[in-house]
Amino acid sequence: AQSVSQHNHHVILSEAASLELGCNYSYGGTVNLFWYVQYPGQHLQLLLKYFSGDPLVKGIKGFEAEFIKSKFSFNLRKPSVQWSDTAEYFCAVMSGSQGNLIFGKGTKLSVKP
Amino acid sequence: DAGVIQSPRHEVTEMGQEVTLRCKPISGHNSLFWYRQTMMRGLELLIYFNNNVPIDDSGMPEDRFSAKMPNASFSTLKIQPSEPRDSAVYFCASSYRGLNYGYTFGSGTRLTVV
Repeated sequence: AQSVSQHNHHVILSEAASLELGCNYSYGGTVNLFWYVQYPGQHLQLLLKYFSGDPLVKGIKGFEAEFIKSKFSFNLRKPSVQWSDTAEYFCAVMSGSQGNLIFGKGTKLSVKP
Repeated sequence: DAGVIQSPRHEVTEMGQEVTLRCKPISGHNSLFWYRQTMMRGLELLIYFNNNVPIDDSGMPEDRFSAKMPNASFSTLKIQPSEPRDSAVYFCASSYRGLNYGYTFGSGTRLTVV
């Protein structure tokens, strides 16, 4: 069965620090990869997605993620975080275009002003 | 587009009562998903529908949970009888299967069973 692992449960950073959140998945076939963000008290919103092509994907609000097929990884990065980035971040994988989204357990990011 | 619409936003009920959560997916989407989110278990897929037909309900925790989708624009998730451990945020999401757009989530229903 597919699974998604997010290595960090809670990350605490100061403003302007760089961010990298780890995500690994277990599935050997074609995958589509997603990062969702959930701001406090809100629903999940799509941050960025990877289907094919350039493995470095740029999303909204300065976020990017890199797909490394050999490592089954899709880590999320941001060079300089802001207090407003405080949220929970979910990595998700979909097998092909017909599969279901399988979510990781999420990483809570707290940014200190 | 108004997005995925869920109601109510908050529900507080007593143990043993029936609870019905409602969802209106985005028009034109052919897949609908019900998720439950808790601190302990994270985001769990309960059930999903394709073209109004339930495809996989293996995530439904118990027979107390049931879901229906009578038409393409409406779905319900019912808990009867409710228990305190059902307290969670329940999200509905919809997508167009076959297009890699991911899912669009509703704002969720926060259920508290006392």
